[in-house]
This record gives sequence, structure tokens and C-alpha cells, in this order.
Amino acid sequence: AQTVTQSQPEMSVQEAETVTLSCTYDTSESNYYLFWYKQPPSRQMILVIRQEAYKQQNATENRFSVNFQKAAKSFSLKISDSQLGDTAMYFCASVLGAGSYQLTFGKGTKLSVIP
Amino acid sequence: DTAVSQTPKYLVTQMGNDKSIKCEQNLGHDTMYWYKQDSKKFLKIMFSYNNKELIINETVPNRFSPKSPDKAHLNLHINSLELGDSAVYFCASSPQGARFYEQYFGPGTRLTVT
Repeated sequence: AQTVTQSQPEMSVQEAETVTLSCTYDTSESNYYLFWYKQPPSRQMILVIRQEAYKQQNATENRFSVNFQKAAKSFSLKISDSQLGDTAMYFCASVLGAGSYQLTFGKGTKLSVIP
Repeated sequence: DTAVSQTPKYLVTQMGNDKSIKCEQNLGHDTMYWYKQDSKKFLKIMFSYNNKELIINETVPNRFSPKSPDKAHLNLHINSLELGDSAVYFCASSPQGARFYEQYFGPGTRLTVT
């Protein structure tokens, strides 16, 4: 079984600043994948970034990067140069490898970017 | 051009009614999913189909019945709707092979039961 925990229900950041969203997970498996999804007010779920557990290098996608600490089971998302369009719910999620199809989500962090 | 589409986007209905939500994907994916997002924004998987075969069936009331006529479509039928069914329902799909874990979501269907 997997669990994903996001301990920050809400956060805010000034435009152009950097913010870090926290996520911890628990699994006994060695092969798994981690994701951050963004859900803006439009409701659409958008994949922001993914990390394969077997990769030591932290994933980056433009202004988005992760800090993956496998031993600590931590997977935080850093957003640099925050923009107003980054205002959204952010969900951390995981899926086991070996053909498992079930995405397990955290409860989400509501991020507000303040002009 | 829409990758995963759902109809309708909004659905308002009364308790006791039966309703369906349709999902279609044009990505050529083999696996499709239904998720429920409750009023607190918590997302939980309900069902998953792989090549028209049910592979995930979480603990949901048997009033909910998924149907996959082909691998591009996964519909959700709900009988005897209850107030607690009010939520946003998301359809998603993912490919076979090495990228099986990448799920692409539809725009969601907001169901309101009055």
C-alpha cells in the first residue's frame, strides 16, 4: 500500500519569488514513480513533473524542480520565479512500478501567487 | 485535438435519478480510469480498465457501473443518485509500455445531486 502526505493545506508566495511545496510518501516497494499535478481554477489536472525512483538526479521542468530524498521518502516541489498563472492546487502523487496502474494522491496544497 | 474528453462537463440532477458520464480518448492508450474528487479536493481512484478489461475496482457502491465498449471509451453509469455522489469525476488514460505511469486527465464532470 502507498500513502502520500502533503502537510501544507495552503501556501502563498509573492510573484517572482520561490516557493517549495512539501510531500512525503510511504511505500515498501523499491520501484515507483512520483508526480506533481497542478489543478488551476479551470479544474483541469495538469502533469507538472515526474520522478522515477531509480533515478538519483532530481527532475526539472523549466521553473519547476523537485528535491527527491529517497531515504527520507520526501519529494518536494520548488517553483522558481512564481507567476500569477501558478495559482492552483498542487497534488503530489505516486504509482508503483511493475505495471501498477493506481495513482495515489495527497490531499493537495492550495498555492496562491500574490501580485 | 482534445486528448481526453468527457461529456457532460456539468450535470445537475435530482436524488434517485440515473445518469451517465461519457469519456473518450484519442491518444491510442490502452488503459482508462475514473477518479472521484470530493468537496475537499481529495482525488481517489474508482475504476480502471485495460483493453476493455476491469483491472481496478475500488470500494465504491455498486450503484456505480463502468462500461468500456472499446479501448477508447470508458463510461460511468450511476444508478439511484444520492446527495453524497456530488463531486467532480475525472476520466484519465495512460499508455502501455515504459510510460504506463503517465496519466492524462480529462476536464472533469461536476455532478451536483439535489
